[in-house]
Amino acid sequence: DVKVTQSSRYLVKRTGEKVFLECVQDMDHENMFWYRQDPGLGLRLIYFSYDVKMKEKGDIPEGYSVSREKKERFSLILESASTNQTSMYLCASSSSGGGRGETQYFGPGTRLLVL
Amino acid sequence: QKEVEQDPGPLSVPEGAIVSLNCTYSNSAFQYFMWYRQYSRKGPELLMYTYSSGNKEDGRFTAQVDKSSKYISLFIRDSQPSDSATYLCAMNRRAGKSTFGDGTTLTVKP
Repeated sequence: DVKVTQSSRYLVKRTGEKVFLECVQDMDHENMFWYRQDPGLGLRLIYFSYDVKMKEKGDIPEGYSVSREKKERFSLILESASTNQTSMYLCASSSSGGGRGETQYFGPGTRLLVL
Repeated sequence: QKEVEQDPGPLSVPEGAIVSLNCTYSNSAFQYFMWYRQYSRKGPELLMYTYSSGNKEDGRFTAQVDKSSKYISLFIRDSQPSDSATYLCAMNRRAGKSTFGDGTTLTVKP
């Protein structure tokens, strides 16, 4: 059974803190993604990675950075958390190969509250 | 203008109804079309995957793709309360980054 896990389900942080969100997949997928999901705004792509140590900006990268040191792990970093980063954060992975490489497998999400 | 537009909902139907969920898109390069289901406070999970125009059926679910009209639909027959969720359409040019609709929230009332 394929699995994407995220380090926390719920997180409460203070404004200005540095926040780390971790994501691990066990499917040997090349692609990994970080999204945030807000009511009325859908899924918005923050960053994605096609390979180890490789990253590309998504639609809303401001205020975020990422790290991919190992194939199975993709970390999202909020350099200095702000209240407008309160959101649901979703990690996903997909294969680069043929077949169903287009489909993404999502983690359970992390609900982050920044006070 | 968004590349993918999804009927916003919310949608509320009685148990047993047929449900139609719809998305339109503007980029003719999209080749792969997916529907994801997301239960409250959970991550999305893949429900249906289609590559070509036409219909694909899986149990009570039918995914329809009309590339000439740039329109995709998900039909749910004999809807159940357990179908209550948010449904997201998604599409790709190739393996990798997907473009998602904003989602339609469905409630099926017993």
